[in-house]
Amino acid sequence: EAAVTQSPRNKVAVTGGKVTLSCNQTNNHNNMYWYRQDTGHGLRLIHYSYGAGSTEKGDIPDGYKASRPSQENFSLILELATPSQTSVYFCASGGSRDRGWTLYFGEGSRLIVV
Amino acid sequence: GDKVKQSPSALSLQEGTNSALRCNFSIAATTVQWFLQNPRGSLMNLFYLVPGTKENGRLKSAFDSKESYSTLHIRDAQLEDSGTYFCAAEADSNYQLIWGSGTKLIIKP
Repeated sequence: EAAVTQSPRNKVAVTGGKVTLSCNQTNNHNNMYWYRQDTGHGLRLIHYSYGAGSTEKGDIPDGYKASRPSQENFSLILELATPSQTSVYFCASGGSRDRGWTLYFGEGSRLIVV
Repeated sequence: GDKVKQSPSALSLQEGTNSALRCNFSIAATTVQWFLQNPRGSLMNLFYLVPGTKENGRLKSAFDSKESYSTLHIRDAQLEDSGTYFCAAEADSNYQLIWGSGTKLIIKP
């Protein structure tokens, strides 16, 4: 079974502080994604990656950076956290099209910025 | 307007009944995925579709790219089917999904 693990699962951060959300996948998938989910907005894409060393901006990248140092790991970095970044963050991985490109999600990371 | 529009936005059913959820696309969707977010917040993939149909147990999904819609049918609904169902479409073959806003389904005993 495909596995995507996020850490931390819960985080309280102070405004202006740095937050790093980590994601690890054991699926050997090339593609990885960071989404945030807020009530009334569904899932919104922040950053994504096509493979190690690659990061691409999604629909709402402002205030976020991403890092993909290896096939397995994809991090989301908030250099200067703000209360508007309070949300639930989901990481996902997806394989190649010939394997059906199904997205597998982690359990989510709940971030509160105070 | 919404590129991926889901209907209904919410639905309440008795256990054992059938339901149909729908997504309409205003984009040229090439593939569609359906997900269930359970009440604990976990997201699970239900189907990945190219044009055509797929079936898995009590779930059946169809995607018609020419008519720009996809459906998800749930037969003999069970309590564990409760949650929010999302559809998401790929348009430009770029491994990115455009998400609908979800259908919240409540199954009552």
